[in-house]
Amino acid sequence: ETGVTQSPTHLIKTRGQQVTLRCSSQSGHNTVSWYQQALGQGPQFIFQYYREEENGRGNFPPRFSGLQFPNYSSELNVNALELDDSALYLCASSLPRQGDEKLFFGSGTQLSVL
Amino acid sequence: QQQVKQSPQSLIVQKGGIPIINCAYENTAFDYFPWYQQFPGKGPALLIAIRPDVSEKKEGRFTISFNKSAKQFSLHIMDSQPGDSATYFCAPGAGMRFGAGTRLTVKP
Repeated sequence: ETGVTQSPTHLIKTRGQQVTLRCSSQSGHNTVSWYQQALGQGPQFIFQYYREEENGRGNFPPRFSGLQFPNYSSELNVNALELDDSALYLCASSLPRQGDEKLFFGSGTQLSVL
Repeated sequence: QQQVKQSPQSLIVQKGGIPIINCAYENTAFDYFPWYQQFPGKGPALLIAIRPDVSEKKEGRFTISFNKSAKQFSLHIMDSQPGDSATYFCAPGAGMRFGAGTRLTVKP
């Protein structure tokens, strides 16, 4: 088991609503990345945070936004939910600037948009 | 967009067989080549990774082969077991691109 925890584990929302997902990184890891994983697909990179600053973004619209806090925990916010946003959302912590690109993943938040 | 192509999409082998999963990439700047294993209901977990200064790395029953000139790397699972049944992903580089996954089933 990694030290990365995500909450909640499951969430049901309706189209147009907003959602906030939370992630606590592994102790000492200063970089957090978020991914969207649709059923039967590989994880799609949303964005990465390093020391509270966004440090790279994938091909996701601005309604996907995030935060990283001084303790390196992180939030993913999604506004104006669409049906296609239904997926498993994963966060991963790492120490890439220390030469260790290994990603430690949480178990994810399963989001269903109705 | 830089592509990562993983094959096959699914694979069924008998216990003791040697499944091989392949990953092709485009970005020659990558210097980290990992394979992740994911079980249902869990996040991916690093299985094995290689740097481009070596062509092969073994960890237990798992081996990575790396071909820099072909821009490909492969995962071999020796003496596969039913407990290896999972989905495997390659993710060359720093994790911004994952392959589409290979669903492996090892039959008893």
